[in-house]
Amino acid sequence: QSALTQPASVSGSPGQSITISCSGTSSDVGGYNYVSWYQQHPGKAPKLMIYDVSNRPSGVSNRFSGSKSGNTASLTISGLQAEDEADYYCSSYTSSSTLVVFGGGTKLTVL
Amino acid sequence: EVQLVESGGGLIQPGGSLRLSCAVSGFTVSNDYMTWVRQAPGKGLEWVSIIYSGGSTYYADSVKGRFTISRDNSKNTLYLQMNSLRAEDTAVYYCAREISSSQGYYYYAMDVWGQGTTVTVSS
Repeated sequence: QSALTQPASVSGSPGQSITISCSGTSSDVGGYNYVSWYQQHPGKAPKLMIYDVSNRPSGVSNRFSGSKSGNTASLTISGLQAEDEADYYCSSYTSSSTLVVFGGGTKLTVL
Repeated sequence: EVQLVESGGGLIQPGGSLRLSCAVSGFTVSNDYMTWVRQAPGKGLEWVSIIYSGGSTYYADSVKGRFTISRDNSKNTLYLQMNSLRAEDTAVYYCAREISSSQGYYYYAMDVWGQGTTVTVSS
């Protein structure tokens, strides 16, 4: 069981917006702004999409945005495109002995 | 070009040892925070270990006491020594660099990843 909880799957049609949630506790998501999101296509290494809750690394489309409210972080993808179909993982710094925890991942299907 | 290339994976019997390497190019390994992340077959990502630029190290509870992260500054290479391997350590192992600001502030997020090396623990 992962430390952070994500929905197993979400789907949307091209052009639509979707939001993926990432629920934690006050010891991780709620207690720190070290929340990040990764995109992973099959057989590929993960790619950083969002860090520090809402910052985008250079080169990442502004269709991707992040936010946080309490113990829950969210990734929103607007203007869905076929190439957005992938697995998405959230992660957070945690005050536990394991420094960083990941969510279980969410499979995004673009219909 | 910033690049990470892992090597050293393979098939190993339970209880055995393996050392993974991550050759770094385009930046200096000792100047950044570096991380190992693994992914079991068909499963999600699992954080394994981090080494700070100052040399401090931290481990996931699942590998503490069995795995050791280190670096060789002269070779600009990151390592993961894995001892007492178990079947549940079977995974693709990625090395990654932690993203930082121009002021040297780190965010516990990984912006550069290697292609991964596969470790299979089985008799």
